[in-house]
Amino acid sequence: KNEVEQSPQNLTAQEGEFITINCSYSVGISALHWLQQHPGGGIVSLFMLSSGKKKHGRLIATINIQEKHSSLHITASHPRDSAVYICAVRSQGAQKLVFGQGTRLTINP
Amino acid sequence: GAGVSQSPSNKVTEKGKDVELRCDPISGHTALYWYRQSLGQGLEFLIYFQGNSAPDKSGLPSDRFSAERTGGSVSTLTIQRTQQEDSAVYLCASSLADSAYEQYFGPGTRLTVT
Repeated sequence: KNEVEQSPQNLTAQEGEFITINCSYSVGISALHWLQQHPGGGIVSLFMLSSGKKKHGRLIATINIQEKHSSLHITASHPRDSAVYICAVRSQGAQKLVFGQGTRLTINP
Repeated sequence: GAGVSQSPSNKVTEKGKDVELRCDPISGHTALYWYRQSLGQGLEFLIYFQGNSAPDKSGLPSDRFSAERTGGSVSTLTIQRTQQEDSAVYLCASSLADSAYEQYFGPGTRLTVT
């Protein structure tokens, strides 16, 4: 079992829908990252969080440390949100990130 | 300012040859990371440099892989005697200090071993 599990692996939705991507992890962590990878391959860091909730525009990330679970939400989804979303965790005392397999999101107009 | 840059963007090499991949981090960033993304696979940590500290090489898959960071800035990832399974996108990232800070990713180098 991977240390970081994401669900779903693939998600297709219509423009305007509310999107939720889930990430579960099995180790104690000091931080969790959400990354976005567009079809061209470039990776952008969306959020880094260790507790609670963060919001940036239409994106919201939450984390529940006790349940070892994080969610990424996208409100009013748009075709330009189509990308692979990757969850990564930094274990306590470590510097390296361990990555989930990613969720491929497709938003149809 | 300039982001993380990597060169070359694409590299095709024959099995058994050595390759060098270069990463220029954001100026002032003391932490530098190398990752690998194989086709259809997730991202995989390779190596981490932080300032003058000894690098964390725990992710290097074999002794054919090595990396150095000169002057605390530019880094080179070297793969000796390349194998077909080395084909992947190699990504570099940098952060202001250690991994408690946001990481900024370069565009990657796509390596194809024929």
